[in-house]
Amino acid sequence: DTEVTQTPKHLVMGMTNKKSLKCEQHMGHRAMYWYKQKAKKPPELMFVYSYEKLSINESVPSRFSPECPNSSLLNLHLHALQPEDSALYLCASSQEGEGETQYFGPGTRLLVL
Amino acid sequence: AQKVTQAQTEISVVEKEDVTLDCVYETRDTTYYLFWYKQPPSGELVFLIRRNSFDEQNEISGRYSWNFQKSTSSFNFTITASQVVDSAVYFCALRRAGGTSYGKLTFGQGTILTVHP
Repeated sequence: DTEVTQTPKHLVMGMTNKKSLKCEQHMGHRAMYWYKQKAKKPPELMFVYSYEKLSINESVPSRFSPECPNSSLLNLHLHALQPEDSALYLCASSQEGEGETQYFGPGTRLLVL
Repeated sequence: AQKVTQAQTEISVVEKEDVTLDCVYETRDTTYYLFWYKQPPSGELVFLIRRNSFDEQNEISGRYSWNFQKSTSSFNFTITASQVVDSAVYFCALRRAGGTSYGKLTFGQGTILTVHP
């Protein structure tokens, strides 16, 4: 079963709101990823967690705060976002190991007003 | 530096036509991994295939086939007898080997495929 789930599917928030995106996988994967995708562009890596520890932060602004409570869950906390942060946020997971395939969730479409 | 080029921004075909999506990559690594993903309008990236640089065998899976040629740094994807359900954005991606055991995918810009009935 190669399923990654994400909630919510859609989110509208104001610039002063605080919200969270959630991602869950039950494939026993030990690496989890957050990507941001703008319309008509490829996904851009934001964060990588490995064994529940933050391994890669691609210079993402601090208004995005990732959290990995356990090996199956990945959250992205949002605070004081800007309209330009509106995008599709994709979560992915993979096994540890060289070249392992990343499996993606359906994404959360975020609109910041 | 790594780079993936998908020169075809958009392709439009009629159902049952064959269509080839081109992917050309640049890397200085001798070991690397190549991927194709499909992104339908719903948004989810669906994994299609992974190839490592030592495996140049072409692969066929149903109506899908892939042609990997290291000599030309290309990893092209052909859909035979296209169907409306094949309409999506297709991304080719490259991942280097070595270093950390998880890592960054370098994506091409994507090719929008529209299959008309």
